[in-house]
Amino acid sequence: DSGVTQTPKHLITATGQRVTLRCSPRSGDLSVYWYQQSLDQGLQFLIQYYNGEERAKGNILERFSAQQFPDLHSELNLSSLELGDSALYFCASSAQGSSGNTIYFGEGSWLTVV
Amino acid sequence: AQSVAQPEDQVNVAEGNPLTVKCTYSVSGNPYLFWYVQYPNRGLQFLLKYITGDNLVKGSYGFEAEFNKSQTSFHLKKPSALVSDSALYFCAVGVGNQGGKLIFGQGTELSVKP
Repeated sequence: DSGVTQTPKHLITATGQRVTLRCSPRSGDLSVYWYQQSLDQGLQFLIQYYNGEERAKGNILERFSAQQFPDLHSELNLSSLELGDSALYFCASSAQGSSGNTIYFGEGSWLTVV
Repeated sequence: AQSVAQPEDQVNVAEGNPLTVKCTYSVSGNPYLFWYVQYPNRGLQFLLKYITGDNLVKGSYGFEAEFNKSQTSFHLKKPSALVSDSALYFCAVGVGNQGGKLIFGQGTELSVKP
């Protein structure tokens, strides 16, 4: 158990809908990361937050947004969902947001868009 | 831009034999290199990392990796493979001035047969 908690574990929704994925980082970790894993794209970095502020942005679509709250938990909002958004979404956390920190992953949220 | 390559989609070894999973990287600064393992329907588990210092890094479950700057490689090794080592292995790289995010390779499926 990495200590990173993600909910929900599984989610099935229809095209055009909006969902929110939630993440609680490891106790004491200030930085949160979101990744998307799919068969065709592999593991793609989406976005990183550090202590409530956006630190780095990757291949995140404009239909997707995220935030980190004062209690350090994070949410990833996915809107106007398309079939291609079906994937495993990981949240991860690290103590600081700097290079070399070990990043610990949650178990992921499986999103199926039908 | 930084990138990671795992040239083998799949590696097959017999139980008890040594195993190697290959990884090469491309970065413009000092690399921070990681290996993670993913079991079916699970999150990524941290195995080991290279930040600086000794080129041979030891990690969890008997795994080790050797950093080779001249060949820009960071191959994962284990002297004696177990059937339970069968999983998907990811190499990842971070760069010093780009926060804590990691860029992952496409993954290598390791299959260890009795």
